[in-house]
Amino acid sequence: KQEVTQIPAALSVPEGENLVLNCSFTDSAIYNLQWFRQDPGKGLTSLLLIQSSQREQTSGRLNASLDKSSGRSTLYIAASQPGDSATYLCAALGGYLYGNKLVFGAGTILRVKS
Amino acid sequence: EPEVTQTPSHQVTQMGQEVILRCVPISNHLYFYWYRQILGQKVEFLVSFYNNEISEKSEIFDDQFSVERPDGSNFTLKIRSTKLEDSAMYFCASSGLQGKNTIYFGEGSWLTVV
Repeated sequence: KQEVTQIPAALSVPEGENLVLNCSFTDSAIYNLQWFRQDPGKGLTSLLLIQSSQREQTSGRLNASLDKSSGRSTLYIAASQPGDSATYLCAALGGYLYGNKLVFGAGTILRVKS
Repeated sequence: EPEVTQTPSHQVTQMGQEVILRCVPISNHLYFYWYRQILGQKVEFLVSFYNNEISEKSEIFDDQFSVERPDGSNFTLKIRSTKLEDSAMYFCASSGLQGKNTIYFGEGSWLTVV
């Protein structure tokens, strides 16, 4: 059974700091890994998608990496801003063993202080 | 940017009542999903739908649940006889090629069963 874990559970940083959120998954048989942002009481906004054949993806101040062999992904946020405060979720899209469904981690709650 | 839209945003219902949650997926997408998030817990997969039939469902998706695509644009989740434990945020999602493309989520429908 695919399990996705995110560390840390919560993070508080001053504005301007660079930070790394970690995601690990137990089975490397994934199609892709997706990072989402969730604001309180809101939906899931897709940030980045990394295919299993890719090593990283970048969008603006965000960079996500994927190491399938070790079952890890990181989300790097550069020059953090108060508007980045949210919960960040990673989700692995399992392959044929797990069906084509996303398995989510519990999320990292990020607070960027001004 | 195209988006997945969901209605209602919030519904309160009495235990035992039937509920229908509605979704309009992104227009050229082929795969449709329902996920749910119980307060304080992980987002979890319920069901996927393709070519007018269920392609996969989780253990949660028992006989009280059903999905339908009644026309070319809407995708619905029906809960036949709601229980207290069905209280959750229900997310609709859609994607193009399964396993290849980003899965886009709606803003969610908060269901409170009293």
